[in-house]
Amino acid sequence: QQQVKQSPQSLIVQKGGISIINCAYENTAFDYFPWYQQFPGKGPALLIAIRPDVSEKKEGRFTISFNKSAKQFSLHIMDSQPGDSATYFCAPNWSHSSASKIIFGSGTRLSIRP
Amino acid sequence: DGGITQSPKYLFRKEGQNVTLSCEQNLNHDAMYWYRQDPGQGLRLIYYSQIVNDFQKGDIAEGYSVSREKEESFPLTVTSAQKNPTAFYLCASNPVQLNYGYTFGSGTRLTVV
Repeated sequence: QQQVKQSPQSLIVQKGGISIINCAYENTAFDYFPWYQQFPGKGPALLIAIRPDVSEKKEGRFTISFNKSAKQFSLHIMDSQPGDSATYFCAPNWSHSSASKIIFGSGTRLSIRP
Repeated sequence: DGGITQSPKYLFRKEGQNVTLSCEQNLNHDAMYWYRQDPGQGLRLIYYSQIVNDFQKGDIAEGYSVSREKEESFPLTVTSAQKNPTAFYLCASNPVQLNYGYTFGSGTRLTVV
């Protein structure tokens, strides 16, 4: 069973602060590292993703940092806002493959305090 | 606009009853998935399919059944054999050959009454 370990389970950050969520994986064949954002009562939506040929990708206030040797990648939310309060999931997998049992992390519930 | 439509949004099931959740997509994606999410929990894979008339069990398939008669449709039946069906059910899809992440539907909340 491929393991995906996400931490922390929950996180409270003051408005304007930096939120950091981590994801560790075991399978070195993974080549696509996405983060999903889910609001209550809604389906998850792809937020940002990175490929292993770069160590960092930034989209607005959201940044992915990738550490291939440590088999970890993290999501950084700069200037965190109350609207960022949601549950975040990582789901490392293969970009070129047939449908397979992609494993999601257990999720991180992020709360941004005004 | 392309996307995934799940219906109904809310569903109530009596004990011993089978219910079917609908999932339709117009994204021309060949792979489709069903996940179950319990309160405060992650996503657990029920069934998935990458071509019409073919599907595979996920990690928690017991008490569920699916069909894939058309590429755009992947309905999930929650049978009376599923002992604890109350949960949030999510359908997702992606193109098999280029997996740039899933597109999810908005979910169906099933409650046993």
